[in-house]
Amino acid sequence: KQEVTQIPAALSVPEGENLVLNCSFTDSAIYNLQWFRQDPGKGLTSLLLIQSSQREQTSGRLNASLDKSSGRSTLYIAASQPGDSATYLCAVGSKGGNQFYFGTGTSLTVIP
Amino acid sequence: GAGVSQSPSNKVTEKGKDVELRCDPISGHTALYWYRQSLGQGLEFLIYFQGNSAPDKSGLPSDRFSAERTGGSVSTLTIQRTQQEDSAVYLCASSDRTRVTGELFFGEGSRLTVL
Repeated sequence: KQEVTQIPAALSVPEGENLVLNCSFTDSAIYNLQWFRQDPGKGLTSLLLIQSSQREQTSGRLNASLDKSSGRSTLYIAASQPGDSATYLCAVGSKGGNQFYFGTGTSLTVIP
Repeated sequence: GAGVSQSPSNKVTEKGKDVELRCDPISGHTALYWYRQSLGQGLEFLIYFQGNSAPDKSGLPSDRFSAERTGGSVSTLTIQRTQQEDSAVYLCASSDRTRVTGELFFGEGSRLTVL
């Protein structure tokens, strides 16, 4: 069974800093990998989706990379803002079936 | 619809009562998922529907939990004889795996409180 780990569990940075969130997975036979953000009391909002054949995706200040061989993905946030404060989750889509496996998330606080 | 819609957004019930939670997926999405998120915890998979195939019920925690999906669209998650440990946010998501991306979209969730 696919296991997904996110490190660190919590991160606090001053506004303006660039930061990296990590996601690791145990089975490299994946269909896709998706990064989400979750605000308190809300559902999950999709940020970036990387297909198994891709190495990275970019959206604005966000850049996600994928290295299947090492079982890792990173989410890079440039010039962080207080509005970026949220929990960030990664989800790995399985290749053999239609299941998604979630990490437990990284809680990010950006201090003004 | 434009997005995944869930109702009710909040439900408070007494222990032992039955509850129904509804999910209306994005139009045309063949895959529908239910997850549970307890306070401060990660997402727990409950059940998955794909088209007309038999659902994957492997995540349902007990036989008090059941779900159906009518006409390949709207889904209802039913919890019978609710217990306090059922208190959580129940999240629904849909995806269209027949496309290349298979991107997953979530609703805002239904927060269940069992007194």
